[in-house]
Amino acid sequence: KQEVTQIPAALSVPEGENLVLNCSFTDSAIYNLQWFRQDPGKGLTSLLLIQSSQREQTSGRLNASLDKSSGRSTLYIAASQPGDSATYLCAVRDSGGSNYKLTFGKGTLLTVNP
Amino acid sequence: NAGVTQTPKFQVLKTGQSMTLQCAQDMNHNSMYWYRQDPGMGLRLIYYSASEGTTDKGEVPNGYNVSRLNKREFSLRLESAAPSQTSVYFCASSLLGDRGYTFGSGTRLTVV
Repeated sequence: KQEVTQIPAALSVPEGENLVLNCSFTDSAIYNLQWFRQDPGKGLTSLLLIQSSQREQTSGRLNASLDKSSGRSTLYIAASQPGDSATYLCAVRDSGGSNYKLTFGKGTLLTVNP
Repeated sequence: NAGVTQTPKFQVLKTGQSMTLQCAQDMNHNSMYWYRQDPGMGLRLIYYSASEGTTDKGEVPNGYNVSRLNKREFSLRLESAAPSQTSVYFCASSLLGDRGYTFGSGTRLTVV
């Protein structure tokens, strides 16, 4: 059974700092990995999707990397801003089968202080 | 705006009452999902529908039923609500697994 772990559970940084969020998964046979952002009381917003054949994806100040063989992904946020404060969730879709369901980590709560 | 729409946004039920959570997507996605989110537990899959006409159990299906009404709509029913079903419920959809997932804004359900 796939398990996804996110470290740290919470992170507080001053504005302007570059930071890295970590995600690890136990079964490397994944189809893709997706990073989401969740604001308090809100739904999930997709940030980046990395296919199993890719090493990284970039969107603006965000860069996500994937090392499938070691079961790890990182989300790099450059020049953090208070508006980046949210919970960041990592989710993987296992390869094989036709259900496309995701397994989620419990998230990292990020606070960027002005 | 295209996306996943969930109704209602908030609901309070008494133990034993029934209700249906509605979900609709207008992106012509094939697959739809229901997740619940609880503090300390993360998001857990309740049921999913890989394609129109099919439904399957996820990780925590007990106490729930689903209906894939058509390609757009996927409803979640609680027949006899219990306090343990107090949670935030999210519906999601995907075209194909390689295209990623789109989530609705959630239904916050309290069972008293």
